[in-house]
Amino acid sequence: KQEVTQIPAALSVPEGENLVLNCSFTDSAIYNLQWFRQDPGKGLTSLLLIQSSQREQTSGRLNASLDKSSGRSTLYIAASQPGDSATYLCAAQAGTALIFGKGTTLSVSS
Amino acid sequence: DADVTQTPRNRITKTGKRIMLECSQTKGHDRMYWYRQDPGLGLQLIYYSFDVKDINKGEISDGYSVSRQAQAKFSLSLESAIPNQTALYFCATSDTGGTEAFFGQGTRLTVV
Repeated sequence: KQEVTQIPAALSVPEGENLVLNCSFTDSAIYNLQWFRQDPGKGLTSLLLIQSSQREQTSGRLNASLDKSSGRSTLYIAASQPGDSATYLCAAQAGTALIFGKGTTLSVSS
Repeated sequence: DADVTQTPRNRITKTGKRIMLECSQTKGHDRMYWYRQDPGLGLQLIYYSFDVKDINKGEISDGYSVSRQAQAKFSLSLESAIPNQTALYFCATSDTGGTEAFFGQGTRLTVV
């Protein structure tokens, strides 16, 4: 059974700092890995999708990497801003549906 | 208009009542999913459907049922709501082959 773990559960940083969010999964036979952002009480916004054949994807200040052999993905956020404050969820797809981690709640202070 | 639309957005219902949550999508995707989110627990899969004639249970299907009325519509029902079904419910879609998933804005359900 696929399990997805995100570390840390919460993170507080000052504005401008670069940061890394971690995601690990137990079954390396995944189709893809997707990172989402969720604001409090709101829906999920897709940030980046990494197909199993890819190593990384970039969108603006965000860069996500995937290492299937070690069962890990990281989301790198450059020059963090207060508007980046949200919960970040990673989800691995292996066969049936997306399996989610519990998320990392990020707080960026100005 | 949103690609994935959930109705209602908020609902308060009483214990024992039957309630239906509806989801419609304009993405043209074959695959649709229902998830439940509880604080601190992430999203858990309730049911999923790969096409109109395909319905599958997820990890927490007890107390729920679904109906895939058309490619674009996937409804979740609580036959007899109980307080521990109070949660945020999300519908999602993806294309065949499990590519990028798109989520609705969620339905906040409170069972009193």
